[in-house]
Amino acid sequence: ETGVTQSPTHLIKTRGQQVTLRCSSQSGHNTVSWYQQALGQGPQFIFQYYREEENGRGNFPPRFSGLQFPNYSSELNVNALELDDSALYLCASSLGQGARVTTEAFFGQGTRLTVV
Amino acid sequence: DAKTTQPNSMESNEEEPVHLPCNHSTISGTDYIHWYRQLPSQGPEYVIHGLTSNVNNRMASLAIAEDRKSSTLILHRATLRDAAVYYCILRVYSGAGSYQLTFGKGTKLSVIP
Repeated sequence: ETGVTQSPTHLIKTRGQQVTLRCSSQSGHNTVSWYQQALGQGPQFIFQYYREEENGRGNFPPRFSGLQFPNYSSELNVNALELDDSALYLCASSLGQGARVTTEAFFGQGTRLTVV
Repeated sequence: DAKTTQPNSMESNEEEPVHLPCNHSTISGTDYIHWYRQLPSQGPEYVIHGLTSNVNNRMASLAIAEDRKSSTLILHRATLRDAAVYYCILRVYSGAGSYQLTFGKGTKLSVIP
């Protein structure tokens, strides 16, 4: 059983650029959630994908978008990067039943994004 | 928004029990209480969850107040590897049949050898 893996581990981008972060789910998990964690804060929910469809979103603007693929891996895209987007981006996978996420989420180690 | 309140930090001696408190006075009837912990430079790790009854697993115990407005995570014997930020979280419905984990700032637990 493989865990949740994220790539890249670190990334530096310039303000205004676009970035794509990637996540491979734990084997057998069909639900992926993305979180943003600023320094010294708890993770904040961005959105969730279940079987390739977004089925929940937190308080983030539309320039944060995502995809989930048939193998349940996922991407987070951020357009028009701002300095405040600098954070640790975490991906979590879990096994959903119907549209409900049950039990625990397994988190990756995150991608540290720095916007300069 | 469903929110939780935790102490910013706590200390414990190694091999002693630790009781980490959490208040969640706005909890609704269908919100599960989850605990995760985050070690330095790692993603959060699931610890335990419950709805109404006390719960035990190999990592910890969760004691939930009768009115569900507070809960306590119990580590029976703290080890140095338990030093982490502990998050008490309500699993909240976020629309379209999905649920999200709403993290607060957590409690930073230090374990003294």
